[in-house]
Amino acid sequence: TQTVSQSDAHVTVFEGDSVELRCNYSYGGSIYLSWYIQHHGHGLQFLLKYYSGNPVVQGVNGFEAEFSKSDSSFHLRKASVHWSDSAVYFCAVSPNSNNRIFFGDGTQLVVKP
Amino acid sequence: EAAVTQSPRSKVAVTGGKVTLSCHQTNNHDYMYWYRQDTGHGLRLIHYSYVADSTEKGDIPDGYKASRPSQENFSLILELASLSQTAVYFCASSDRAEVFFGKGTRLTVV
Repeated sequence: TQTVSQSDAHVTVFEGDSVELRCNYSYGGSIYLSWYIQHHGHGLQFLLKYYSGNPVVQGVNGFEAEFSKSDSSFHLRKASVHWSDSAVYFCAVSPNSNNRIFFGDGTQLVVKP
Repeated sequence: EAAVTQSPRSKVAVTGGKVTLSCHQTNNHDYMYWYRQDTGHGLRLIHYSYVADSTEKGDIPDGYKASRPSQENFSLILELASLSQTAVYFCASSDRAEVFFGKGTRLTVV
């Protein structure tokens, strides 16, 4: 069974802090990895993706994520958060061998002023 | 710009009634999905499709049917709506690397 684990349900930081949201997956084959953001009351929006090449990928609004095959991880980072980054963040895995996309349960990020 | 349009955006349905949620994409994607999101929770896959005229069951298909009459359109059908199906429903299309979501349909079953 493929799984996507976001170990932190809630993360609270102050504006200007750095943040890392963790994502681990269990799948051994070739996969697509991505992150999405959901502001309260809205749909999910794409942040960034990885399939191959440079393990550090840049996304919108200063977000980046790093793929680690050895750790089966794809953690999302931002060097300096803004209050508008407060949202729920979802990690997603799509195995190349099937048509499914698996989402983690999400991490609620709260940025305090 | 890639787009996924859902209709209606909100609906109140009566228990036992039939509900159809519609989704239209202009992304030219083969893959389309219906997800359910309950308040404060993640996404659960109901049905998906990777080609017109074919649908597949997701993780929670009971009580739902799906229809993919064309590449662009993917509908979710609740033949007998129940209170437990009150939720926000998201349609999405994908090229595998990136998923494009609609804005969601808030369904309330009373």
